[in-house]
Amino acid sequence: QSVLTQPPSASGTPEQRVTISCSGSSSNIGSNTVTWYQQLPGTAPKLLIHSDIQRPSGVPDRFSGSKSGTSASLAISGLQSEDEADYYCAAWDDSLKHYVFGTGTKVTVL
Amino acid sequence: EVQLVESGGGLVQSGGSLRLSCAASGFTFRSTAMSWVRQAPGKGLEWVSTIGPSGSTIYYADSVKGRFTISRDNSKNTLSVQMISLRAEDTAVYYCAKHGLGKYFEYLGQGTLVTVSS
Repeated sequence: QSVLTQPPSASGTPEQRVTISCSGSSSNIGSNTVTWYQQLPGTAPKLLIHSDIQRPSGVPDRFSGSKSGTSASLAISGLQSEDEADYYCAAWDDSLKHYVFGTGTKVTVL
Repeated sequence: EVQLVESGGGLVQSGGSLRLSCAASGFTFRSTAMSWVRQAPGKGLEWVSTIGPSGSTIYYADSVKGRFTISRDNSKNTLSVQMISLRAEDTAVYYCAKHGLGKYFEYLGQGTLVTVSS
């Protein structure tokens, strides 16, 4: 089962700002970096943010990550229709000795 | 360009076995940790197993420990996972994943579907 908790859904109109939270514990988010993945319908997950805040080349700068304590957030500024997807956070867990994913958040553009 | 191409998926009966492979190219495979990640139909992502660059470091999810064996052939740039005693709950798309410089998956392949019938 997922160790990291995300809201099941989030939505916004085009150009709005949407934020997705990811809640964990001291053994995962609290002591390791957070990664965010975007999964468009019918496709493989794609790396969006790594090392809490780093955007790989090619990822639009409207996507940004942040972290505080045992929680992390992904913000999408200037929401666009192509951002409609499932978003997952992930981190290594020192206690479990394995990677853990978030429960996933489905973003809908209204 | 990084390419990860999974193969070996299919339909298998409960209790059966299957071997998945992942052909990697576009990066220095022998220097890169690799993982398998799966996604059951309509469900979220689940980490399955990780193998270090040399193959000496291996981790498994509790749900597959003792039934799945991850391996790699650095001479052939290939990642594999041998799956035995398959259960209905192992039904999922299995993604091969290349690690980045930190503890994250930088790329995932397109996946191969494993269906375990009960």
